[in-house]
Amino acid sequence: GENVEQHPSTLSVQEGDSAVIKCTYSDSASNYFPWYKQELGKGPQLIIDIRSNVGEKKDQRIAVTLNKTAKHFSLHITETQPEDSAVYFCAASTGSSASKIIFGSGTRLSIRP
Amino acid sequence: NAGVTQTPKFRILKIGQSMTLQCTQDMNHNYMYWYRQDPGMGLKLIYYSVGAGITDKGEVPNGYNVSRSTTEDFPLRLELAAPSQTSVYFCASSYSPTSGIYNEQFFGPGTRLTVL
Repeated sequence: GENVEQHPSTLSVQEGDSAVIKCTYSDSASNYFPWYKQELGKGPQLIIDIRSNVGEKKDQRIAVTLNKTAKHFSLHITETQPEDSAVYFCAASTGSSASKIIFGSGTRLSIRP
Repeated sequence: NAGVTQTPKFRILKIGQSMTLQCTQDMNHNYMYWYRQDPGMGLKLIYYSVGAGITDKGEVPNGYNVSRSTTEDFPLRLELAAPSQTSVYFCASSYSPTSGIYNEQFFGPGTRLTVL
């Protein structure tokens, strides 16, 4: 079955700098790769997703890149702000008929003032 | 729209007790999911449903049961609570017009369960 590995587990960056979180997946049939942000005490919320027919997608300060050959994808946050502090999860589709996704173990991002 | 709602927010159970975690969505989504999140870990899928009357096991189904009698509701049942079931439980829903099409999963606020 699908396995998703996420690195690093914790990341601390200076406000205004960029942050990069990387994930690898095992199932070559995966074709959907969402990223979720989880703030303290809340449920995860989708911030961006990418499908296998594109290599990069941007939404303001957030971008995701996908390398299907190497089976890895990354989240890039530029000009980080205090409100970016949260736990971020990558995920990958499992190829099943029920829209199931497998989550990575999460990255706790802290923005230093 | 309230989105996905879960009750209760917190619960403490004694070993061997049973309880039902409630989940309701008002977005007319066909797919619903239950996850558990252990400290410092990602989310693991317990059970899922592709529509009313249809449920199936996820990665970690042991010790749990579900039912889906309506589109809106997807309760999770713990029959004999064990300390290993101490976790935060999230319900989620999504809409997929066709099998294999992936769309955003919307999550509820979670239920924090402690089994002592």
